[in-house]
Amino acid sequence: DQQVKQNSPSLSVQEGRISILNCDYTNSMFDYFLWYKKYPAEGPTFLISISSIKDKNEDGRFTVFLNKSAKHLSLHIVPSQPGDSAVYFCAASEYRGSQGNLIFGKGTKLSVKP
Amino acid sequence: DSGVTQTPKHLITATGQRVTLRCSPRSGDLSVYWYQQSLDQGLQFLIQYYNGEERAKGNILERFSAQQFPDLHSELNLSSLELGDSALYFCASSVIAGGDTDTQYFGPGTRLTVL
Repeated sequence: DQQVKQNSPSLSVQEGRISILNCDYTNSMFDYFLWYKKYPAEGPTFLISISSIKDKNEDGRFTVFLNKSAKHLSLHIVPSQPGDSAVYFCAASEYRGSQGNLIFGKGTKLSVKP
Repeated sequence: DSGVTQTPKHLITATGQRVTLRCSPRSGDLSVYWYQQSLDQGLQFLIQYYNGEERAKGNILERFSAQQFPDLHSELNLSSLELGDSALYFCASSVIAGGDTDTQYFGPGTRLTVL
């Protein structure tokens, strides 16, 4: 039973345009959401996060939107650059006392074409 | 560079063997997490340690164990290895142990191949 779902395995976007990556979750107790970017043969790199008390967080070209009622979050990259081509993982955390493990989606492979 | 180091980078071994993967967290981080990424699978949480104590267990097999030492580095021990254990094993660290400000930073991973 997947608690975090990324339904698009891949996405192709033209350089300079907006990339929108989507993520859905089922556990209403999740209180922290993160996006990681992963290049082949490297570990996931933290990109941006959002707490469940917010609905938007922005960092440069990256913005994450959270819609709690729909249990949906999205990552917007504007403008997209070829160097953004990577696999993007959505992750969620339910803080329970001193436990904070992340539950990951299966990833969306983003290709930004020059 | 996340500041999390993992050794070795690659490991090739045979079925039935035992291996140890090592992780050094970022300076100041007290929590260490282990994740497994198999082919076609997302990252699966295995186990978490906080300041030397086990705090959470995920989908970790009984053949696997881990510990965190006083200097906060961690080791993941995999025994009686099977072909299906071939995967990327990632270590992550964070300052505390969760919560909406506690971001996990990942190491480069160890690629384990069981032949």
